[in-house]
Amino acid sequence: QKEVEQNSGPLSVPEGAIASLNCTYSDRGSQSFFWYRQYSGKSPELIMSIYSNGDKEDGRFTAQLNKASQYVSLLIRDSQPSDSATYLCAVKEGSYIPTFGRGTSLIVHP
Amino acid sequence: NAGVMQNPRHLVRRRGQEARLRCSPMKGHSHVYWYRQLPEEGLKFMVYLQKENIIDESGMPKERFSAEFPKEGPSILRIQQVVRGDSAAYFCASSPDGGGGPDTQYFGPGTRLTVL
Repeated sequence: QKEVEQNSGPLSVPEGAIASLNCTYSDRGSQSFFWYRQYSGKSPELIMSIYSNGDKEDGRFTAQLNKASQYVSLLIRDSQPSDSATYLCAVKEGSYIPTFGRGTSLIVHP
Repeated sequence: NAGVMQNPRHLVRRRGQEARLRCSPMKGHSHVYWYRQLPEEGLKFMVYLQKENIIDESGMPKERFSAEFPKEGPSILRIQQVVRGDSAAYFCASSPDGGGGPDTQYFGPGTRLTVL
């Protein structure tokens, strides 16, 4: 059974710090990796996708993928209170349905 | 460019009634996915549909739940004889490409079902 593991948190960081969110997955055949942000009572919003080993940067967000270690992470630089949300990791193998982790709650305090 | 549309946004039903949830995918998207999210839990896949076809329903309970995506009109998730345990947020997502290569799913605002 495919599993995607995330620490539920909450992860608490001060404003301006770097928030580091981690995700591990069990299926070595996974090819596509996604990070979604979900505010309380709202729907998930795609913020990053990554398909190759290494880093991918988009503004304050950096996704890091290490397929050998079956590990994907999301770094948020200069964290803002508006970044406070639950971050969902999703992993997909080819045409299969993505598997979502349970999410990590992030709190950025002023 | 309208995103994924879902209605109703909130639905209240009494035990034993039927619930119908509708999803219109983004323009140009022909793949629809339904997920359920219970409080404090992650997204659980239910069913994946293309126009007039159910591709994968492995996450959908065998009884009381059904889904369709007709040639014309929205996708519908139908729950018959609802029970309190069906209370959850139901999200629909759509994508332009169902598989074979990287693709991303875009989520609708969800329907929050409450069963009294």
